[in-house]
Amino acid sequence: QQQVKQSPQSLIVQKGGISIINCAYENTAFDYFPWYQQFPGKGPALLIAIRPDVSEKKEGRFTISFNKSAKQFSLHIMDSQPGDSATYFCAASRGYGNKLVFGAGTILRVKS
Amino acid sequence: DTAVSQTPKYLVTQMGNDKSIKCEQNLGHDTMYWYKQDSKKFLKIMFSYNNKELIINETVPNRFSPKSPDKAHLNLHINSLELGDSAVYFCASSHRVEIGELFFGEGSRLTVL
Repeated sequence: QQQVKQSPQSLIVQKGGISIINCAYENTAFDYFPWYQQFPGKGPALLIAIRPDVSEKKEGRFTISFNKSAKQFSLHIMDSQPGDSATYFCAASRGYGNKLVFGAGTILRVKS
Repeated sequence: DTAVSQTPKYLVTQMGNDKSIKCEQNLGHDTMYWYKQDSKKFLKIMFSYNNKELIINETVPNRFSPKSPDKAHLNLHINSLELGDSAVYFCASSHRVEIGELFFGEGSRLTVL
């Protein structure tokens, strides 16, 4: 049973375009929703994270939109660049133990 | 100066062998983790230690045994390796056990032949 569902599986975007990756979760007890970026041969690295008490968080070109009632959150990458080409994972966790549950990942390719 | 370092980066071994992966973090964090990433890139938590105490133990075969000699180290020993154990194993650490950013190592790619 997949607790965090991520889509699309892969995404190709032109340089300068907007990349959008969506996630949906089931467990309403989740209270922390991060996005991780992973380059080939490297470990995942935190990109941006949100708590359910806000609906949007922006850091540079990266924005998380959060819809608590729909149990969905998404990552928007504005002005996408070839250097953004990577695998992106959404995740969710709750409380003690910091047990992150990851989505299946989205392979993003930004064409120059 | 690497924050979370794992050794070895690559492991190729035969079925039935025993192998270990070592992890060290120099971030001063209290909590460390092992995650497994399969061939489809799916990431799943295996274990978590807080101040050397095991706090998360997912449904992992008994052949996998973590050991935390101190807060900065978390090792993973795997007995009787099977083909299905082939994956990339990531060590991670976080400052707080409740919630927060996980810092991942670069991974150890295990191939079982």
